Amino acid sequence: RKEVEQDPGPFNVPEGATVAFNCTYSNSASQSFFWYRQDCRKEPKLLMSVYSSGNEDGRFTAQLNRASQYISLLIRDSKLSDSATYLCVVNLGGKLIFGQGTTLQVKP
Amino acid sequence: EAGVVQSPRYKIIEKKQPVAFWCNPISGHNTLYWYLQNLGQGPELLIRYENEEAVDDSQLPKDRFSAERLKGVDSTLKIQPAELGDSAVYLCASSLSFTYNEQFFGPGTRLTVL
Repeated sequence: RKEVEQDPGPFNVPEGATVAFNCTYSNSASQSFFWYRQDCRKEPKLLMSVYSSGNEDGRFTAQLNRASQYISLLIRDSKLSDSATYLCVVNLGGKLIFGQGTTLQVKP
Repeated sequence: EAGVVQSPRYKIIEKKQPVAFWCNPISGHNTLYWYLQNLGQGPELLIRYENEEAVDDSQLPKDRFSAERLKGVDSTLKIQPAELGDSAVYLCASSLSFTYNEQFFGPGTRLTVL
């Protein structure tokens, strides 16, 4: 079993749609959680951290459920520029463990 | 502020040849990471340096891979000899420290082994 699991997609959605990505992690000792964004043939960049209380950054909302070991990312009002791969990441003892990523394609 | 610099950006070699990748982290970042990313997968950590000390190299295939960060600044990752399965993107990242700080990635070196 992979330490961080994501549905690879692709998710194909129209502009303006709301889309949600889910992620599960296997190690309950994981300490902190993130979503990274990776554009095609580019490096990953931090999108947002994920907190137990849930957090929002503009159109993006992240949620963490430690009991279920489940992380989510919600994107509202999708833009063409949101097309990318979204990587779920957990920090375990200072080591970042990445999921395989979920690909989002937003279409006009 | 300059980001993480990597070179070369692309490298094509024949199997059994050696290859080296170079990384210069963001100034002041003590922690440096080398990752390997295969197509359709997330990055996987190969080695982490705290200044010049390799503190986590458990995922580095030491029979053919080696790395160094002699002065605690820039770093080199070497493969000798390269195998077909080593074709991947090699990413370097840095952070201020290893505890919870954001990691900044370089653009990567795309290696193709023929």
